[in-house]
Amino acid sequence: NAGVTQTPKFQVLKTGQSMTLQCAQDMNHNSMYWYRQDPGMGLRLIYYSASEGTTDKGEVPNGYNVSRLNKREFSLRLESAAPSQTSVYFCASSEWYSNQPQHFGDGTRLSIL
Amino acid sequence: RKEVEQDPGPFNVPEGATVAFNCTYSNSASQSFFWYRQDCRKEPKLLMSVYSSGNEDGRFTAQLNRASQYISLLIRDSKLSDSATYLCVVNRNGGSQGNLIFGKGTKLSVKP
Repeated sequence: NAGVTQTPKFQVLKTGQSMTLQCAQDMNHNSMYWYRQDPGMGLRLIYYSASEGTTDKGEVPNGYNVSRLNKREFSLRLESAAPSQTSVYFCASSEWYSNQPQHFGDGTRLSIL
Repeated sequence: RKEVEQDPGPFNVPEGATVAFNCTYSNSASQSFFWYRQDCRKEPKLLMSVYSSGNEDGRFTAQLNRASQYISLLIRDSKLSDSATYLCVVNRNGGSQGNLIFGKGTKLSVKP
């Protein structure tokens, strides 16, 4: 039972490069989320998808785009990476976009030089 | 008041101690409450939900005080393996910026 799977686990980019973080869940959940976690800042929501076919901005969406490819997959794209985007990125899912707990992938550590 | 506020700690306790964490939240309309645990360099994992009547899971007890808008987590007979950061999580009822608000966490270190 994989749960939420993120790829890659680690990545180093140069400023200005682009990349896509992949996330897939096998729990048949309807809602998916992307967070970033920085020291002293806690988890901050970047984008979320309440259901297949919808995406919405979270607290810190600037510099990112997302695609809900199907019910299982939700990707996060950095079009032109900046050092300020160095962070740990977590994908999460929940059965519905409501009062339910979220289940997290094990994260992507991204460094931008 | 911040949306979700926790004492950052660290709480340094000996094995076998009882330790309590508190968390306050600002939105009186919030309906769901959780405690997550996050080990160093790992993902957050759901520890337990918090119910209005209070609930217990082994050595862990969670309580909710709606009138004062705070949540607590009590850990009895602390183990070395309890060392982690504990995140208080509250749902953002309504609004458009996602449904859960995560506190910044309280770090617990259990020493032999």
